[in-house]
Amino acid sequence: EDKVVQSPLSLVVHEGDTVTLNCSYEVTNFRSLLWYKQEKKAPTFLFMLTSSGIEKKSGRLSSILDKKELFSILNITATQTGDSAVYLCAVQSGSARQLTFGSGTQLTVLP
Amino acid sequence: GAVVSQHPSWVICKSGTSVKIECRSLDFQATTMFWYRQFPKQSLMLMATSNEGSKATYEQGVEKDKFLINHASLTLSTLTVTSAHPEDSSFYICSAREVGGDPYEQYFGPGTRLTVT
Repeated sequence: EDKVVQSPLSLVVHEGDTVTLNCSYEVTNFRSLLWYKQEKKAPTFLFMLTSSGIEKKSGRLSSILDKKELFSILNITATQTGDSAVYLCAVQSGSARQLTFGSGTQLTVLP
Repeated sequence: GAVVSQHPSWVICKSGTSVKIECRSLDFQATTMFWYRQFPKQSLMLMATSNEGSKATYEQGVEKDKFLINHASLTLSTLTVTSAHPEDSSFYICSAREVGGDPYEQYFGPGTRLTVT
């Protein structure tokens, strides 16, 4: 059974702090790893990673994948209150390329 | 581009009734659509994979007779929750993969919040 584990489950920081969110996985027939941000509604896409060691960056957010050790990290620098959300890691696998989601990390950024 | 809509965005129904949720790809065609369920403070759980013109593939533990999925066209999939009970109250989200598009990419709908009283 495919498994995706995120840590920490929740995190409270102050504005300006840097955070690192972790995602480890065990899946058969790995295709890609994706990061999403979920506020009140459906997840919004952040990154898709398919290759090891190549950092993807978007503004203050960045992510990298290690396919040998089966994990990924999502970094957020200079956090803002608007970054408060649940961050979901999902792994795409199999011929149908379905997504298996982790439990998410609830990030709260205090002013 | 790549917008997915869901209707309704929220619904309240009485126990024992059936509810239909629609998932539409607005500006692209989708051979495959996925249905997820999310309980409060939990992650998304894949319920089923829906392919246009064929029967849906359900995940283990999901009752196919209770959660009827129809994917009759390349832009529409429906999920019908039959004989709904309070424990079916949840946030239902669909996603769609574009025909000929990047196989890695899924576009999510805004979700439908179902409350069964």
